[in-house]
Amino acid sequence: AQSVTQPDIHITVSEGASLELRCNYSYGATPYLFWYVQSPGQGLQLLLKYFSGDTLVQGIKGFEAEFKRSQSSFNLRKPSVHWSDAAEYFCAVGPILTGGGNKLTFGTGTQLKVEL
Amino acid sequence: GAVVSQHPSWVICKSGTSVKIECRSLDFQATTMFWYRQFPKQSLMLMATSNEGSKATYEQGVEKDKFLINHASLTLSTLTVTSAHPEDSSFYICSAPALTWNYSSYNEQFFGPGTRLTVL
Repeated sequence: AQSVTQPDIHITVSEGASLELRCNYSYGATPYLFWYVQSPGQGLQLLLKYFSGDTLVQGIKGFEAEFKRSQSSFNLRKPSVHWSDAAEYFCAVGPILTGGGNKLTFGTGTQLKVEL
Repeated sequence: GAVVSQHPSWVICKSGTSVKIECRSLDFQATTMFWYRQFPKQSLMLMATSNEGSKATYEQGVEKDKFLINHASLTLSTLTVTSAHPEDSSFYICSAPALTWNYSSYNEQFFGPGTRLTVL
């Protein structure tokens, strides 16, 4: 069975500081990995995804993530955090379905707080 | 990007009543939609896969008679919580895949804003 672990429930960083959110996964085959952000009152927004190829993937809003198969990790990074990045971040893994979309397994999320 | 809406955004009901939540893809068609449940401070748990024109596929442990799903058109899926009880109080989120580029088989999923259900 597939699973995702996000070890950090809460993280607080100062605006302008760098950020790394950790994600470890368990998956029987080649994983399809995702990072989503959830802001209050809004739906989940896809930040980036990894299917294959280059293990360093670039996403929206200046985020990037690195897939490390040997460590079963897919950590999210941002070199300089903005106050507007404060939100809940979810790592997810899931197969691509033949009919479209994917049945995602989400991690428990990391709540990011940004201090001004 | 594609937009998924949910209605209502929040609902309060009495124990024993039924509540219907709508999920609509506003600018694209979706033969498949997904329903998730999110408890406070917890992750999203996939409840079921809604298939247009056929029966929904439920995840293990989800009561299909409790959570009725109808995907009547290519833009609408509904989740009905029947005989709701306080333990059904939760945040329900739907998602739908939309083709974002035409040379890949992958359909990016777009999520609705969620529906907060409170059962008294």
